[in-house]
Amino acid sequence: GNSVTQMEGPVTLSEEAFLTINCTYTATGYPSLFWYVQYPGEGLQLLLKATKADDKGSNKGFEATYRKETTSFHLEKGSVQVSDSAVYFCALSDDNGNQFYFGTGTSLTVIP
Amino acid sequence: EPEVTQTPSHQVTQMGQEVILRCVPISNHLYFYWYRQILGQKVEFLVSFYNNEISEKSEIFDDQFSVERPDGSNFTLKIRSTKLEDSAMYFCASCCRPPAGEQFFGPGTRLTVL
Repeated sequence: GNSVTQMEGPVTLSEEAFLTINCTYTATGYPSLFWYVQYPGEGLQLLLKATKADDKGSNKGFEATYRKETTSFHLEKGSVQVSDSAVYFCALSDDNGNQFYFGTGTSLTVIP
Repeated sequence: EPEVTQTPSHQVTQMGQEVILRCVPISNHLYFYWYRQILGQKVEFLVSFYNNEISEKSEIFDDQFSVERPDGSNFTLKIRSTKLEDSAMYFCASCCRPPAGEQFFGPGTRLTVL
């Protein structure tokens, strides 16, 4: 079946530090992969996505590369800001797009 | 920018009562979804809906749950007889072009069952 395993949190970083949040997946077929972000008190917002192997999604300084050989989609940012404090969810969409499978979420706190 | 809206933002109900959670998806989207997130846990899929019928549903989506698109704009989730364990944040989402298209999520309805 399909599933997403995400790095456990919480993660606390100083401003301008490098961020990596690991995400690996199990899927049949050719899933699309997504990172969503949830700011306090808000819903889920798409951060970036990749729809096929070796695609790199990027947005707001965040990047993730779809690695089929390692079934991974790790999220990275070179220099985090306080405003990046949120919960980050890795997700995959099955072949039909009938549902998303979410990871458990990783809480990130960036301190000045 | 178009967005998914949900009402109410917070619903408090007594155990055994029926609740209806409402969502207005993005107007040109054809695929609709409900998810829930119990506090501190992962976002869980409940149901997907396309062409006026359920496409897929999870084990959570038992006979107590139903979905409906009563008119051209609303998409509702009904819980017939709420249980304490139904307390969660419920998110509606819509999509225009699965599987590669992103799902757009609403802000959620926090359901508290007492």
